[in-house]
Amino acid sequence: DTGVSQNPRHKITKRGQNVTFRCDPISEHNRLYWYRQTLGQGPEFLTYFQNEAQLEKSRLLSDRFSAERPKGSFSTLEIQRTEQGDSAMYLCASSLEGGESTEQFFGPGTRLTVL
Amino acid sequence: AQSVTQLDSQVPVFEEAPVELRCNYSSSVSVYLFWYVQYPNQGLQLLLKYLSGSTLVKGINGFEAEFNKSQTSFHLRKPSVHISDTAEYFCAVRPMDSSYKLIFGSGTRLLVRP
Repeated sequence: DTGVSQNPRHKITKRGQNVTFRCDPISEHNRLYWYRQTLGQGPEFLTYFQNEAQLEKSRLLSDRFSAERPKGSFSTLEIQRTEQGDSAMYLCASSLEGGESTEQFFGPGTRLTVL
Repeated sequence: AQSVTQLDSQVPVFEEAPVELRCNYSSSVSVYLFWYVQYPNQGLQLLLKYLSGSTLVKGINGFEAEFNKSQTSFHLRKPSVHISDTAEYFCAVRPMDSSYKLIFGSGTRLLVRP
């Protein structure tokens, strides 16, 4: 069990460019979550998947953001036409469906800097 | 809607001293409660959780927390801290509805000094 992995760990881009992040959950986990964490704040929920179905999206997820989990395994989060306000740590977590006690396991995050 | 308040942004403490990190929440529905720890350049790790039953919950690394429904609080405590406990601590809630999202507080940085 290698835990949740995220790539890249760091991304620097210019305003207006598109970026894509990848998350590989723990292999048997069927739920996958994306959060965003800005400096000095706690993580904020963006969206979550159960298998390949995207079941909940936050209002924080504007039209420029899109997340996919095509085969119910890894997930990608794409940000189009990046803005400086998108600079943050993007965290992925996964969990195994099994009732109220399921723990979300977090990856190390992808730090995005928009210049 | 739910919200979580961690009033202390930073708590300095000497090694081997006791510590309490405060967490209060607001919610229109019942919630599950969690404490996570984040070490530099690492992901969040679950310390402990309250789902039901005994209001005193014990977690990893010697931490414990007590759920107080009347005061809507879930304060984290450790009787004797180590230098290695220096990290960011986040309190979180998950509503007992169909949502699985976690709602986090802004975090408390625990700084343990020798």
